[in-house]
Amino acid sequence: GENVEQHPSTLSVQEGDSAVIKCTYSDSASNYFPWYKQELGKRPQLIIDIRSNVGEKKDQRIAVTLNKTAKHFSLHITETQPEDSAVYFCAATGSGGSNYKLTFGKGTLLTVNP
Amino acid sequence: NAGVTQTPKFQVLKTGQSMTLQCAQDMNHEYMSWYRQDPGMGLRLIHYSVGAGITDQGEVPNGYNVSRSTTEDFPLRLLSAAPSQTSVYFCASGGSLNEKLFFGSGTQLSVL
Repeated sequence: GENVEQHPSTLSVQEGDSAVIKCTYSDSASNYFPWYKQELGKRPQLIIDIRSNVGEKKDQRIAVTLNKTAKHFSLHITETQPEDSAVYFCAATGSGGSNYKLTFGKGTLLTVNP
Repeated sequence: NAGVTQTPKFQVLKTGQSMTLQCAQDMNHEYMSWYRQDPGMGLRLIHYSVGAGITDQGEVPNGYNVSRSTTEDFPLRLLSAAPSQTSVYFCASGGSLNEKLFFGSGTQLSVL
């Protein structure tokens, strides 16, 4: 099945700096790559997603890039703010018979220091 | 519009007891799923459903059963609780898998 590796597991930045979280996936047929943000004690919420026919997508301070050849995708947060502090999860869908299985990475705890 | 509703929010069980975690959505979503979240392990898929009457196993299905008799409801049953099932459980639904998933607020389960 699909395997998603996420790095780093923890990331600490100063307010205003950029943060980058990277994920790799194993199934070359995967076609959907969402990112979820989970604040402490809350439910995960989608912040951005990208499909395999697109190389980059932006939404204000957040961007995601996808490299299908290398099978990796990254989340970029610019001008970080304290409210960006949370756990971020990447995910990828499998293919064929496992197309309905969304596999998550183990998460990155991002801390933005004021 | 309530979204995805999970009950209970907290539950303590003794080893060997059974229980059902309830999940309901009012968005007419075809896709529903159950995840468990353990420290350092991310979200792991237990079971999922792509419509009423259709269910399938995820990554960690052992010890859990599901059914989907209606579009709205997707309960998760623990047959004989074990300490290894201590976790936070999330139900999620979406129009399809390759769309935004809406998560419930979670159930914190402790098995003693």
